[in-house]
Amino acid sequence: AQTVTQSQPEMSVQEAETVTLSCTYDTSESNYYLFWYKQPPSRQMILVIRQEAYKQQNATENRFSVNFQKAAKSFSLKISDSQLGDTAMYFCAFRPNNNDMRFGAGTRLTVKP
Amino acid sequence: DVKVTQSSRYLVKRTGEKVFLECVQDMDHENMFWYRQDPGLGLRLIYFSYDVKMKEKGDIPEGYSVSREKKERFSLILESASTNQTSMYLCASSSAGRYSNQPQHFGDGTRLSIL
Repeated sequence: AQTVTQSQPEMSVQEAETVTLSCTYDTSESNYYLFWYKQPPSRQMILVIRQEAYKQQNATENRFSVNFQKAAKSFSLKISDSQLGDTAMYFCAFRPNNNDMRFGAGTRLTVKP
Repeated sequence: DVKVTQSSRYLVKRTGEKVFLECVQDMDHENMFWYRQDPGLGLRLIYFSYDVKMKEKGDIPEGYSVSREKKERFSLILESASTNQTSMYLCASSSAGRYSNQPQHFGDGTRLSIL
């Protein structure tokens, strides 16, 4: 079975600091896509960042970046200069070729002032 | 911006009722999805639709059906609601296919309680 594991159910970080959310996945596929989605409290889930497995360069979107370790099947999200608006549930998702997206259980991140 | 609108944020129904959850998107997307979100389980796909009147089962279709009579509207139906269907339901749409790497656009969710 192809699964996604987020080992940190809850995390907190002080405003302006850096935090890393972990994600591991299990697959025998060589090509696939990885995503981080953010779900703020009572608001829509939105895409934060995505990575294609065949690309070695780690994706970056402003304060958000990933550390993609293909051999280790790891896809962590780093949030720099954390802001109060980053408080949300974060879902790691993995999509193998020709298959549905698989979501992790989520990490609830709280940014403290 | 893509807007996906779910008709209710909160809904309370009774066991055995037939329940309709409605979703409308305004971007002319062919593809629409219904997910269920439960604590500790993430999101699980219930049904997918790639065109009007076309549907495919996801991981957990049992106890649910869907209707897509118009391109912009995708309805999830609980034929006879049960307490184990108490959950958050998320609708999403996408311009690309079921297995595409294009992002899905989500609605706000409907928190459904079955008493």
